[in-house]
Amino acid sequence: QVQLQESGPGLVQPSQTLSLTCSVSGGSINRGSYFWTWIRQPAGKGLEWIGRIYTSGGTNYNPSLMSRVTISADTSKNQFSLKLTSVTAADTAMYFCARGYGGSSSEGVRLDYWGQGTLVTVSA
Amino acid sequence: DIQMTQSPSSLSASVGDRVTITCRASQTISSYLNWYHHKPGKAPKLLIYGASKLHSGVPSRFSGSGSGTDFTLTISGLQLEDFAIYYCQQSYSPPHTFGQGTKLEIK
Repeated sequence: QVQLQESGPGLVQPSQTLSLTCSVSGGSINRGSYFWTWIRQPAGKGLEWIGRIYTSGGTNYNPSLMSRVTISADTSKNQFSLKLTSVTAADTAMYFCARGYGGSSSEGVRLDYWGQGTLVTVSA
Repeated sequence: DIQMTQSPSSLSASVGDRVTITCRASQTISSYLNWYHHKPGKAPKLLIYGASKLHSGVPSRFSGSGSGTDFTLTISGLQLEDFAIYYCQQSYSPPHTFGQGTKLEIK
């Protein structure tokens, strides 16, 4: 059973960099056709797709965040990470990591395993 | 970006009821549509992928349909554990946007 767990500071100062890590157990992040994904949810709002890193190392980012976001992977630790620079109060949210899996070409990519999320508050 | 619009935003129903939630995409997304169930404080769970395919372990009372721009999620015979927030998501092109959510509450 694949499990994901987010970790990182719960409080970040405005203009600083938000850094989160997702630890994966029950499967290797560099095997299979998976997309290791970050999603966030501001309080009282819906889910926002931040971006993903492929098993091959390629990435896709949400254009609204592209200038500030980097997703990377550390296969030796079976983890992947999110960095978001120049944060403001608008970046306060619950942050989730998830595994994306694409089966056949007719099915598309779905997020089949998720972490429980970690709350990050941007405040001085 | 592809915009996803769900309706209704909230819904009250009773145990045993049949409910339907709709999701509309701002452009055609073929069948690249997923549905998730989320209880605050817990990990969201995948219910349906490819518009109509039931994810492993998901009860058969959940079903999905649609293609192109219009999709539905139907829950036949609501159970207590089904009262949660439901989201649709398109995986046709990045960013893989979500609908705004439908909150299913007990009547």
